[in-house]
Amino acid sequence: DQQVKQNSPSLSVQEGRISILNCDYTNSMFDYFLWYKKYPAEGPTFLISISSIKDKNEDGRFTVFLNKSAKHLSLHIVPSQPGDSAVYFCAAGEQGGSQGNLIFGKGTKLSVKP
Amino acid sequence: EAGVAQSPRYKIIEKRQSVAFWCNPISGHATLYWYQQILGQGPKLLIQFQNNGVVDDSQLPKDRFSAERLKGVDSTLKIQPAKLEDSAVYLCASSRNRGYEQYFGPGTRLTVT
Repeated sequence: DQQVKQNSPSLSVQEGRISILNCDYTNSMFDYFLWYKKYPAEGPTFLISISSIKDKNEDGRFTVFLNKSAKHLSLHIVPSQPGDSAVYFCAAGEQGGSQGNLIFGKGTKLSVKP
Repeated sequence: EAGVAQSPRYKIIEKRQSVAFWCNPISGHATLYWYQQILGQGPKLLIQFQNNGVVDDSQLPKDRFSAERLKGVDSTLKIQPAKLEDSAVYLCASSRNRGYEQYFGPGTRLTVT
């Protein structure tokens, strides 16, 4: 039973355009969410996070949107650059008893074409 | 600030052999995690330490996997005996405390033949 789902295995975008990566979750106890970026042969790199008390968090070219009623979050990258080509993982966790236990999606491979 | 260090980066062993992985977290980080990432999947938490105590090992296959974090800094993860299905990347991560952003090391790619 997948609690965090990234339904698009891959996404291709033109350089300079917007990349939108989506993530759905089923566990209503999740109250903080993170996005990680992973290059081949490297560990995941923390990108941006959002708490359930917010519906938007922005950091430079990266913005995460959270829709709690739909149990959906998305990562927007504007403008997309070739260096953004990587696998992006969505992760979710609880601040309570399972604090620190992150559940990851399977990832979406983003390709940004020059 | 130095990141999370892991060694070795790659390991190939035969089934039924044993193997150990080492992790040095970011200085001052109280919480340390070991994840297993099978090809095509997201990382799955195996065990979480707070300082030198285990706070969550519910997904650790304890019949063959063990982990320790002596003195609350470095950690080792051991598999004995290894099975073919243990082939994966083993990732170590650390965070300032529980519930904070986790920072990952480069991982150890294990191949069991």
